[in-house]
Amino acid sequence: GDSVTQMEGPVTLSEEAFLTINCTYTATGYPSLFWYVQYPGEGLQLLLKATKADDKGSNKGFEATYRKETTSFHLEKGSVQVSDSAVYFCALRSGGANSKLTFGKGITLSVRP
Amino acid sequence: GAVVSQHPSWVICKSGTSVKIECRSLDFQATTMFWYRQFPKQSLMLMATSNEGSKATYEQGVEKDKFLINHASLTLSTLTVTSAHPEDSSFYICSARDRTERPTNEKLFFGSGTQLSVL
Repeated sequence: GDSVTQMEGPVTLSEEAFLTINCTYTATGYPSLFWYVQYPGEGLQLLLKATKADDKGSNKGFEATYRKETTSFHLEKGSVQVSDSAVYFCALRSGGANSKLTFGKGITLSVRP
Repeated sequence: GAVVSQHPSWVICKSGTSVKIECRSLDFQATTMFWYRQFPKQSLMLMATSNEGSKATYEQGVEKDKFLINHASLTLSTLTVTSAHPEDSSFYICSARDRTERPTNEKLFFGSGTQLSVL
């Protein structure tokens, strides 16, 4: 079945550091890939997505490229801010438009001033 | 943006009692709501899909008689954990899909979750 594997956390960085959060997946067919973010005390929010190979999703300075050859969708940001401290979930959706989302475990990012 | 309110945010209960968790869409109507569960250091797992006015669809391995889902209106779905036991202790999250959105699951609005601890 479908699965999403995220790197183990938590991750602690200094402000303005470069961020990479790894995500790999296993899926049938050609899934759509997503990153969700959960800020403290809030619900998950869609951060970015990519629906086909080589697509790059981007939002709020974050980027992730759909790599079919390596089945990866790593999240990157060139310069993190304290306000980026949150839990980040990688997810995929395979099958039709109404198919379910499969999530990774999530990883906690803490950015210190 | 759209807001989903989930209540309570945390609850502690005795083994054998039942606990109800509410999920409300505050500024939109949700024909479909989803319930997830996350054990420590595990993935967010879909438990069931709740459709307004009809029976919920449960994922394989989820006991429908234990996790009662009611979606009686377009803005409210409830999850009741019946006869809770310590192994039911987990983080429960709901999400809702705006009925005006095209039916793709990525446009979901999530509640902030409920931490259930069963003693």
